[in-house]
Amino acid sequence: SYELTQPLSVSVALGQTARITCGGNNIGSKNVHWYQQKPGQAPVLVIYRDSNRPSGIPERFSGSNSGNTATLTISRAQAGDEADYYCQVWDSSTEVFGGGTKLTVL
Amino acid sequence: QVQLQESGPGLVKPSQTLSLTCTVSGGSISSGSYYWSWIRQPAGKGLEWIGRIYTSGSTNYNPSLKSRVTISVDTSKNQFSLKLSSVTAADTAVYYCARSTGYSSGWYDYWGQGTLVTVSS
Repeated sequence: SYELTQPLSVSVALGQTARITCGGNNIGSKNVHWYQQKPGQAPVLVIYRDSNRPSGIPERFSGSNSGNTATLTISRAQAGDEADYYCQVWDSSTEVFGGGTKLTVL
Repeated sequence: QVQLQESGPGLVKPSQTLSLTCTVSGGSISSGSYYWSWIRQPAGKGLEWIGRIYTSGSTNYNPSLKSRVTISVDTSKNQFSLKLSSVTAADTAVYYCARSTGYSSGWYDYWGQGTLVTVSS
């Protein structure tokens, strides 16, 4: 089965840039989606199809995908960005989620 | 604005069947090329996809749960449902229903608020 690997945690200083990676075999050939989840809340889509932002998501959120790694980039990190982030792909008739990354804004 | 709402028992005994329903409002469950999914999250852990259904009745299931899962749809009620049989404590989790776009490579654009199901005697 296909696996997605995310770092357990990422820390970023307030106002700096955070990068959260999602590793998978030839993930660059797949469409990757990213979700933000705050405590006690349902996940919210922040990036779809590698690099597209849904309406209402700040331009500070961006994504890229190539080779074996997809990356979610959060520029000018704010305290409100502190959350868990999950990547997701479709593979062999199955949805696959990464294990999640906890973003801490210092 | 599409909204999804999970409902069902919050407590299920071991070996019994967990049953949840997701009611869709703000749009017809039959309109568009959407898939309707169940996803769960044990406390402090990540998201686990359970399975999905299209309004035609076509389903896909997580291979690790396939033998215990049934997802069905009732278009007349704008609802879809989850049944998970032979539950154990490991099935204790927050269960979400969600809508995804397209057959493959779809993303989840609408989620329910989630409902906690505890498996305990």
